[in-house]
Amino acid sequence: GENVEQHPSTLSVQEGDSAVIKCTYSDSASNYFPWYKQELGKGPQLIIDIRSNVGEKKDQRIAVTLNKTAKHFSLHITETQPEDSAVYFCAASKRDQAGTALIFGKGTTLSVSS
Amino acid sequence: DTAVSQTPKYLVTQMGNDKSIKCEQNLGHDTMYWYKQDSKKFLKIMFSYNNKELIINETVPNRFSPKSPDKAHLNLHINSLELGDSAVYFCASSKTGGGGELFFGEGSRLTVL
Repeated sequence: GENVEQHPSTLSVQEGDSAVIKCTYSDSASNYFPWYKQELGKGPQLIIDIRSNVGEKKDQRIAVTLNKTAKHFSLHITETQPEDSAVYFCAASKRDQAGTALIFGKGTTLSVSS
Repeated sequence: DTAVSQTPKYLVTQMGNDKSIKCEQNLGHDTMYWYKQDSKKFLKIMFSYNNKELIINETVPNRFSPKSPDKAHLNLHINSLELGDSAVYFCASSKTGGGGELFFGEGSRLTVL
């Protein structure tokens, strides 16, 4: 089955700096790679996703890149703000294949200090 | 309107007891899931139902029994609770089965004493 590794487990940055979180996946058939943000006491919420037919996607301060050959994908947050502090999860799945589910990495706790 | 709602939000109980967590989604989604988040924040899939049919059943002790009375509801019943069952249990739904975008509930924190 799919295995997703995520690094680093904790990341501390100053406000305004960039933050990068990296993930690798094991199943070359995976084709969907979302990123979730979990704030304290809340459920994870999708912030951006990318499919395997795309190499990069951007949404304001957030971008995701995918390298299918190397089986890794990354989340980039620019101009970080204190409200970006949260736990971030990467995930992978074979989207639209019955009987599959998102498999998550172990999470990265991002702390942005002002 | 809450999209995916779970009750109760907090549950404290003694070892050996039986407890249930309820989940409802009003998104019209076909697929619902239970994920377990341990103390290290690791999110692990437990079960998935598509239109009331069980489609994913990960390696979970048979003390855990999911039930889906209709496609908008997925409940989790746990028998003979153990200390290791302490965790946050998240219900989620997706429009279709098969690894698409998940919408999570707020979680149910279970503490077994």
